[in-house]
Amino acid sequence: AQSVSQHNHHVILSEAASLELGCNYSYGGTVNLFWYVQYPGQHLQLLLKYFSGDPLVKGIKGFEAEFIKSKFSFNLRKPSVQWSDTAEYFCAVTTNRDDKIIFGKGTRLHILP
Amino acid sequence: NAGVMQNPRHLVRRRGQEARLRCSPMKGHSHVYWYRQLPEEGLKFMVYLQKENIIDESGMPKERFSAEFPKEGPSILRIQQVVRGDSAAYFCASSPTEGTNEKLFFGSGTQLSVL
Repeated sequence: AQSVSQHNHHVILSEAASLELGCNYSYGGTVNLFWYVQYPGQHLQLLLKYFSGDPLVKGIKGFEAEFIKSKFSFNLRKPSVQWSDTAEYFCAVTTNRDDKIIFGKGTRLHILP
Repeated sequence: NAGVMQNPRHLVRRRGQEARLRCSPMKGHSHVYWYRQLPEEGLKFMVYLQKENIIDESGMPKERFSAEFPKEGPSILRIQQVVRGDSAAYFCASSPTEGTNEKLFFGSGTQLSVL
């Protein structure tokens, strides 16, 4: 069965530090990849998505992610984080087999002011 | 457009009671998904419904849980005879058409606490 692994459960960074959150998926076929963010007390929002084309995807709020097919990875990056980036980040995947989204367990990011 | 509306935001039940969670999808959306978020775990798919049809319930526990999405009115996730392990945040998402997960919109969730 398809699965998504997020390796870091909790990440603490200082403002202006660079961020990279890991995400790996298991599925050999065609995938669509997503990163969602959940700010404290709010609902999930889509940060960015990859369907096809350029494997480097730009999202909102300065986030980007790179799809590396050979590594089954879709890591999220931001060159310089802000305190307002404190949130939980979820990597997710859909496949050409079915429609439901499979989520990773999430990474809690805490930015120190 | 009001977005995906879930109510109540918080629901407290005693063991053995029934919990009903409601989800009104965005206007024009006919596909609803329910997810459960347990502490220290990610979102887990429960069920995918279209109007009056259950499309995929592979993530639903075999007993006590049921879901519906009637022709009129919100989608309902029903948990009978709740137990402490049912305590979690339950999220609903909607999309306008099948397979377009890029347009999946989430509600704010219902936090269920079982005493």
